[in-house]
Amino acid sequence: SAVISQKPSRDICQRGTSLTIQCQVDSQVTMMFWYRQQPGQSLTLIATANQGSEATYESGFVIDKFPISRPNLTFSTLTVSNMSPEDSSIYLCSVVRQGTEAFFGQGTRLTVV
Amino acid sequence: SQQGEEDPQALSIQEGENATMNCSYKTSINNLQWYRQNSGRGLVHLILIRSNEREKHSGRLRVTLDTSKKSSSLLITASRAADTASYFCATAPQGNFNKFYFGSGTKLNVKP
Repeated sequence: SAVISQKPSRDICQRGTSLTIQCQVDSQVTMMFWYRQQPGQSLTLIATANQGSEATYESGFVIDKFPISRPNLTFSTLTVSNMSPEDSSIYLCSVVRQGTEAFFGQGTRLTVV
Repeated sequence: SQQGEEDPQALSIQEGENATMNCSYKTSINNLQWYRQNSGRGLVHLILIRSNEREKHSGRLRVTLDTSKKSSSLLITASRAADTASYFCATAPQGNFNKFYFGSGTKLNVKP
């Protein structure tokens, strides 16, 4: 298994500001993933955070809006930039053991007002 | 959703009845997994089925996979009130089995 810690667990932010979410894993992993879960919806993959190279973004997500850092094999950050109320969601960090289940952090519940 | 649809979107049954949820996906996969999410909480992994498998069981759970139809089903037998949750299928695409795309989910309500 993997233990994933996310910070903050929740936040209320003003529109136009940015929030950086941290994800710490208890062991080294090659890839980490960031998901968004809008209210009442399923999980949408935002990007893959690769150590030593730029993140790989899914269709509809761009680096300017969701910059990602991956300084080492146990840590990543996701920034939600220039926030609007539409960014209100739960943001989840995830890791996968090779070919097995995905493990998720408890998520960061973001409300933009 | 990025991957496909699940149906039904919502399902309400009595305790003791069986619940069946279906998942369709778009591309060839390495494996498919089912997760449960209780309201406002984290995701719990239920079961993984690989693309070369057709059926798997785990306790009261039975998962089938039909790669020719790009579909899977999750059967929960003898449901309990504690099974009330949202259920999601997630697929790992062929060639990149480390990332997952989630289906739209089914909200299951089991009435006591």
